[in-house]
Amino acid sequence: AQSVTQPDIHITVSEGASLELRCNYSYGATPYLFWYVQSPGQGLQLLLKYFSGDTLVQGIKGFEAEFKRSQSSFNLRKPSVHWSDAAEYFCAVGRAGTASKLTFGTGTRLQVTL
Amino acid sequence: GAGVSQTPSNKVTEKGKYVELRCDPISGHTALYWYRQSLGQGPEFLIYFQGTGAADDSGLPNDRFFAVRPEGSVSTLKIQRTERGDSAVYLCASSLETGGNTEAFFGQGTRLTVV
Repeated sequence: AQSVTQPDIHITVSEGASLELRCNYSYGATPYLFWYVQSPGQGLQLLLKYFSGDTLVQGIKGFEAEFKRSQSSFNLRKPSVHWSDAAEYFCAVGRAGTASKLTFGTGTRLQVTL
Repeated sequence: GAGVSQTPSNKVTEKGKYVELRCDPISGHTALYWYRQSLGQGPEFLIYFQGTGAADDSGLPNDRFFAVRPEGSVSTLKIQRTERGDSAVYLCASSLETGGNTEAFFGQGTRLTVV
């Protein structure tokens, strides 16, 4: 069975600082990997996804993530955080054939201090 | 519509009552998913429709939960004899699922509170 671990429940960074949110997955084959963001009262918005090819994936809002098969990781990064980035971030894994049947991690809440 | 629409946005019901939650997917999206998000958790898969049929209902927690999509568009999640543990945000997503590289678009969810 596939699973996703987000080891950091809560992270606080200063505005303008860099950010890295960790995600580790467990899956027997090549996974489809996703990062979603959820703001209070809002639905999930897709930041980026990895299906195949280049292991460094660019997303919206200046986010990027790198797929590292050897480490079973798909960490999310942003070089300079903005106050509006404060939200809950979810890593998710899917599989070929039903890429939208996702297994989510428990999320990381990002707080941005001014 | 422009996005996935879920109604109602909030629902408070008494323990033991029956509830229906509605999802209007993006027009033309053949795949529809229901997820449940409990407080402090990530969304958990409940059921997946491809067209009118439930292709995978392995996430439904028990037989009190049922979902339909009779015309391959709107879907209704039905919960019988609600329990306090059913309180959660129920999310719906749709996609142009063709077995490959697709994105799921999520609605804003229905917050269900069982008192």
